[in-house]
Amino acid sequence: NAGVTQTPKFRVLKTGQSMTLLCAQDMNHEYMYWYRQDPGMGLRLIHYSVGEGTTAKGEVPDGYNVSRLKKQNFLLGLESAAPSQTSVYFCASIYFGTGGRNTEAFFGQGTRLTVV
Amino acid sequence: GDSVTQMEGPVTLSEEAFLTINCTYTATGYPSLFWYVQYPGEGLQLLLKATKADDKGSNKGFEATYRKETTSFHLEKGSVQVSDSAVYFCALSEPGFQKLVFGTGTRLLVSP
Repeated sequence: NAGVTQTPKFRVLKTGQSMTLLCAQDMNHEYMYWYRQDPGMGLRLIHYSVGEGTTAKGEVPDGYNVSRLKKQNFLLGLESAAPSQTSVYFCASIYFGTGGRNTEAFFGQGTRLTVV
Repeated sequence: GDSVTQMEGPVTLSEEAFLTINCTYTATGYPSLFWYVQYPGEGLQLLLKATKADDKGSNKGFEATYRKETTSFHLEKGSVQVSDSAVYFCALSEPGFQKLVFGTGTRLLVSP
């Protein structure tokens, strides 16, 4: 049982280049999330999905796009990378349970992205 | 909106010292509360949780009690080890909102 797998683990981009980060989960969860982690700012939600074919904006969505064509995969795209997007990106697959009482989040190991 | 406030780090302790990391929250409803831990180079993993007032979550010697009257969920451990060095995140989730709201994280450094 792999849980949540993110690829790639590291990437260096030049300003203006594009890339796609892949998140795959094998737990059949409906909810998937993309966060970015920056020093002193904790985890900030970029986009999320409440099921196959759905996406929604989080608190810092600008400059990113997402797609959830298959339930197990959640893709994060950067169309034109900027140095401000240098960060560590985490994907999470979350099970909320009945009434939210059994909530548990499963995280990937992260993607360290540097934009120069 | 919902928010979580954690104490600033880093917290630096010697091995076997007592640990407290403070966490307070603001929520519109009755949230579940969580502590997640992030070891170097890894993603976050659930450490413990509590789903109703006065519940105590515990795991690996860590404990936290859900205090509704003070809207707090402080993390404690009686005797820390070097291997506990990590970043600790407090988080909440409200029923029906399908989001986890995280604090900014507190880095713990334990020296031998």
